[in-house]
Amino acid sequence: NAGVTQTPKFQVLKTGQSMTLQCAQDMNHNSMYWYRQDPGMGLRLIYYSASEGTTDKGEVPNGYNVSRLNKREFSLRLESAAPSQTSVYFCASSEVLDSPLHFGNGTRLTVT
Amino acid sequence: EDQVTQSPEALRLQEGESSSLNCSYTVSGLRGLFWYRQDPGKGPEFLFTLYSAGEEKEKERLKATLTKKESFLHITAPKPEDSATYLCAVNTGANSKLTFGKGITLSVRP
Repeated sequence: NAGVTQTPKFQVLKTGQSMTLQCAQDMNHNSMYWYRQDPGMGLRLIYYSASEGTTDKGEVPNGYNVSRLNKREFSLRLESAAPSQTSVYFCASSEVLDSPLHFGNGTRLTVT
Repeated sequence: EDQVTQSPEALRLQEGESSSLNCSYTVSGLRGLFWYRQDPGKGPEFLFTLYSAGEEKEKERLKATLTKKESFLHITAPKPEDSATYLCAVNTGANSKLTFGKGITLSVRP
């Protein structure tokens, strides 16, 4: 029972490069989320998907796009990476909105 | 604007020394308060949800309580394996966005 799986675990990008962070959950959850975690700040919501086929902006969506590929998978894309996007990115899922989140173990991204 | 403040930022305890972690919040309408535990290099792990003032939840050495303005995570006779960062988050129903506090880093010395 893997729960929420994120790939890759680590990534280094140069400014302007693009990449996609992958996330998959095997708990049959309806809702999925992308957060970023920076030192000295709480977790901040980037985008979320309440259910398959829907996506909505969170608190800090600028510079990111998402795709809810199916019920299991939710990807986060950085089209043109900037140093300000250096962070740890967490994917999470929940049975429905408002229910407890289950997190993956994160992707550590450095943009130089 | 919803705000969540956790205190202290860091706490060092001796094994067996009980203490409490605080999460105070200012929100327009609370629909749930969540406690998570985060180990270094890992994602947060769900501990408790509290919905209304006066509610309490327990799990092993941890007990979470809720008032109208704050929540406490009480740790009774902690062990070194309780060392972690503890996160508090509130849900106000505004687009179902959770507002997280910055976390409390707990270190328990043997």
